[in-house]
Amino acid sequence: GAVVSQHPSRVICKSGTSVKIECRSLDFQATTMFWYRQFPKQSLMLMATSNEGSKATYEQGVEKDKFLINHASLTLSTLTVTSAHPEDSSFYICALGGGYNEQFFGPGTRLTVL
Amino acid sequence: KQEVTQIPAALSVPEGENLVLNCSFTDSAIYNLQWFRQDPGKGLTSLLLIQSSQREQTSGRLNASLDKSSGRSTLYIAASQPGDSATYLCAVLNQAGTALIFGKGTTLSVSS
Repeated sequence: GAVVSQHPSRVICKSGTSVKIECRSLDFQATTMFWYRQFPKQSLMLMATSNEGSKATYEQGVEKDKFLINHASLTLSTLTVTSAHPEDSSFYICALGGGYNEQFFGPGTRLTVL
Repeated sequence: KQEVTQIPAALSVPEGENLVLNCSFTDSAIYNLQWFRQDPGKGLTSLLLIQSSQREQTSGRLNASLDKSSGRSTLYIAASQPGDSATYLCAVLNQAGTALIFGKGTTLSVSS
């Protein structure tokens, strides 16, 4: 399957700052990437679908102005959490593939907002 | 709205035991069902994918079954090992291929 990397793996920031998370496809050209969020002991929840060269599609209840997604190339998508607050602390995982094809997941980024 | 439930939430067994993890879903109109493994603080590793037309899939000591009409799947792990300790997630893909819905997972602990 496809190899997906995320950077950073862990980040701690102060409330009010912005944090950028990168998702890279190392061996697969991904026109679509997915961003999930996982709170402790909860399911992975899809936040948004990132489309190369166009605007991301956000799931209901996810603020697009707070979670900025950029998919500028076929191998890189970024998620920026703007003005982060403690309630944004979570595990963020990206994935590529999708549709009727298998999704391949990155290793995740643990965000802690103080 | 599709809901995926996994039972039990946690399970502890001694090494060598055979065990079954359960997954149920409310809408039987699925395209496929997938079982994943997640280690603490890590991403997901795909274990088995069952198409809606299939009844089961096997990989090594793992066997997953699917009963789409009743909205259930089981993951059978034979001869469990400490290295099997992880959280196991079940996810269903809707027929349109647009939504992958996850359960909360079963956290398995295998003691030596």
